[in-house]
This record gives sequence, structure tokens and C-alpha cells, in this order.
Amino acid sequence: AQSVTQLGSHVSVSEGALVLLRCNYSSSVPPYLFWYVQYPNQGLQLLLKYTTGATLVKGINGFEAEFKKSETSFHLTKPSAHMSDAAEYFCAVSVSYGQNFVFGPGTRLSVLP
Amino acid sequence: EPEVTQTPSHQVTQMGQEVILRCVPISNHLYFYWYRQILGQKVEFLVSFYNNEISEKSEIFDDQFSVERPDGSNFTLKIRSTKLEDSAMYFCASSGGRISNEQFFGPGTRLTVL
Repeated sequence: AQSVTQLGSHVSVSEGALVLLRCNYSSSVPPYLFWYVQYPNQGLQLLLKYTTGATLVKGINGFEAEFKKSETSFHLTKPSAHMSDAAEYFCAVSVSYGQNFVFGPGTRLSVLP
Repeated sequence: EPEVTQTPSHQVTQMGQEVILRCVPISNHLYFYWYRQILGQKVEFLVSFYNNEISEKSEIFDDQFSVERPDGSNFTLKIRSTKLEDSAMYFCASSGGRISNEQFFGPGTRLTVL
């Protein structure tokens, strides 16, 4: 079975600072990996995804993530945090077409002025 | 851009009552899902549906829950006799399957059981 861990339930950064949200997964087969963002009282919005091919993937709002098979990681980064990035971020894994996602516990990102 | 829609946005019900949460997936998608998120917790998988039948379900999805695709567009989640612990945000999602494993999520229905 797949599982996802996200180190740090709450991360605070200053506006303009680097954002690094960690995600590690376990899977016995090559995974599909996703990052979703959830703003307060809203649904889940896809930030980016890795399926196959290039291991560095770029998403919306300046975010990117790198799939590192050897480290079983898919950390999310953004060079410069903006106040509007404050939200909950979820990493998710799936291993086949149509299979359900397994979500990590989430990381709440706070951006300080 | 096509999107998944859910109604109602907020449902308040008394314990023991039946509720039906409705979803309209993206029209050409093949796989449909329900997830729930208890306040402050992670998103949990409930059930997936493909080819007019349940393809997978979690241990949360017990006999109190059922899903249905009554016509070509709607996908419903029924909770037969709600409990306090069913209070959560329920998300519907759909995916195209073969072309992309990306799941598109609806905005959610907040269920409050009193």
C-alpha cells in the first residue's frame, strides 16, 4: 500500500523567502505524484503533477517540485513566497490509472510580512 | 474550462437522518471518487466508481454509505443514517483515466450533523 508523509505540519516563512514543503512517499511501483493547495474554506486545486518524463515539474503560481526516486521524495519549492501563498498544501500519490489518491497529512504554510 | 460541481455547498442535518450529496463530474471522465476531510485533518479516500460499479472502497465506506450514478451526469453519495462523526467536508473528484491520472476535485460539501 502507498503512504505519504509530509514533514512539518506548519511551516512559516517570510515574504520573499524560499518555500520548501517536504513530501516523502512509499510505493512498490513507480508512482504518480501530485501537490494540491487548499485555501481556507475552499476545495483542492492542483498545483502540479509528476507522471512520467522530466523529474522537475513546474506548476502554477511559481511552484515547482522534483521527483527523486532514490530519496522517494517530491518536495515542493517556490523561490520567493508571497502573502497569497498562505494555505494548506497536500501531497498525494497514486500508482495506476483510475486508482484513488492517498494524501499526506498536509502542511499549513504561513507567510509573514 | 470544465469543472466538477457539487451541491449543496453546506448541509446541516440531524443525527440519524439520511443525506444525499450530489456531484456532477466532468462530462467525458470515466472514474469518479468521493473523499472526505474531517476538520483539520487530511483528505481520506472513501470510494471510487468505474463502469457503473464500485471499483474500490476504504474501511470508512461501511454499509451506511452508498453511491450511485442515476443518470449520465450525476454522481451521488448517500449516508443512510448520519452520525456526529460524519461531520466533514466531502469532496467529489473525477478523472479521465487512461489519458491522465489527474483527478479534478469539486469545491466540496460541508456536512454538519447535529
